[in-house]
Amino acid sequence: GAGVSQSPSNKVTEKGKDVELRCDPISGHTALYWYRQSLGQGLEFLIYFQGNSAPDKSGLPSDRFSAERTGGSVSTLTIQRTQQEDSAVYLCASSPTPGLDNEQFFGPGTRLTVL
Amino acid sequence: RKEVEQDPGPFNVPEGATVAFNCTYSNSASQSFFWYRQDCRKEPKLLMSVYSSGNEDGRFTAQLNRASQYISLLIRDSKLSDSATYLCVVNMALSGGYNKLIFGAGTRLAVHP
Repeated sequence: GAGVSQSPSNKVTEKGKDVELRCDPISGHTALYWYRQSLGQGLEFLIYFQGNSAPDKSGLPSDRFSAERTGGSVSTLTIQRTQQEDSAVYLCASSPTPGLDNEQFFGPGTRLTVL
Repeated sequence: RKEVEQDPGPFNVPEGATVAFNCTYSNSASQSFFWYRQDCRKEPKLLMSVYSSGNEDGRFTAQLNRASQYISLLIRDSKLSDSATYLCVVNMALSGGYNKLIFGAGTRLAVHP
């Protein structure tokens, strides 16, 4: 079956512009996660959705970052007034439920470059 | 202190070698532990869960020491295809019964002929 998909795969934007990143989780997965990975670094947790609600937004770096999930499925991560330090790979993952032992399945990521 | 700490490496080993990675975590309430593998410019994928009694999957053995808050991964008979970054992952319980995973920065392994 289809895995997690993300679009676009690559995004180059100018400093100050807004960007929207999209994640399509595996069908039926209720939990959805956004992470950021800078070059050579580990994964930085951004936000977690259970259904359409976000119990944990603690990882969002600033108020320029926001995310929503509609219909318990597709999620979009929006970055307003992008800065060069926002350049990274943005990874989305989903799992069947947020249970303790549930594997997170990752999408291929969106590589964001802010010029 | 980071919530999950790993030696970044790189570990450069010849084919056939045995190599071990360690990881420490700070949250004593963590209940679930995993090793993920991430190939260069690819997304992370689950390698194996780590159970209290220790568990083995082919050439891979994972161990957990709750008292020391320490997790290990042992790879025997290394293959060229094992070259990757290995991420140590622990859960963090949130209010409302939810959990999130905390990823270490990873240990890079390079297996050479």
